[in-house]
Amino acid sequence: GQQVQQSPASLVLQEGENAELQCNFSSTATQLQWFYQSPGGSLVSLLSNPSGTKHTGRLTSTTVTKERRSSLHISSSQTTDSGTYLCAIDRDNMGYKLTFGTGTSLLVDP
Amino acid sequence: DAGVTQTPRHEVAEKGQTIILKCEPVSGHNDLFWYRQTKIQGLELLSYFRSKSLMEDGGAFKDRFKAEMLNSSFSTLKIQPTEPKDSAVYLCASSRQGSAETLYFGSGTRLTVL
Repeated sequence: GQQVQQSPASLVLQEGENAELQCNFSSTATQLQWFYQSPGGSLVSLLSNPSGTKHTGRLTSTTVTKERRSSLHISSSQTTDSGTYLCAIDRDNMGYKLTFGTGTSLLVDP
Repeated sequence: DAGVTQTPRHEVAEKGQTIILKCEPVSGHNDLFWYRQTKIQGLELLSYFRSKSLMEDGGAFKDRFKAEMLNSSFSTLKIQPTEPKDSAVYLCASSRQGSAETLYFGSGTRLTVL
């Protein structure tokens, strides 16, 4: 079965609204990362958050390890935030080989 | 530092052809990964190298997919023979040894097999 599940699959917002993206995983993980992929672009790591809460800019990630879930909150969304957000875990608990979810496609309208 | 470089950016092949995709990892990175990305399956791991040694060769992809790393700064992914279902974006990524936090991706090669 799917090791990493993300929801929603897609999301449309008006500029300025907040976004909440969810990631659930079926195995324990020592590594959890959120990535961003611009339309037609490459993947860029946003932040690594295997447990607890982490902030960077307008992004906040909260991971509850024992519940095997993580969220990514984007505050005051901008049109440039449009793209796909991917969650990834190290399925084998080795800290380096990542398994990815299928992502949340975010569209921020002006 | 230069990032991960992949060539070509786009490739169109006829069914049955052999194609070779290329990747140059970030200098100093010891781990190199090849992923395939499709809308339905998302990212699937094809191969994983550590210090040029093949550590994982994705089971479902073994028969027609062959990744090689002849030196620490260059890797290839050969698909032979290509099939239409191989149409996807192929991504190469590298990281410092054992550190997914330092994972960098290339821009990918979009392969279309007719």
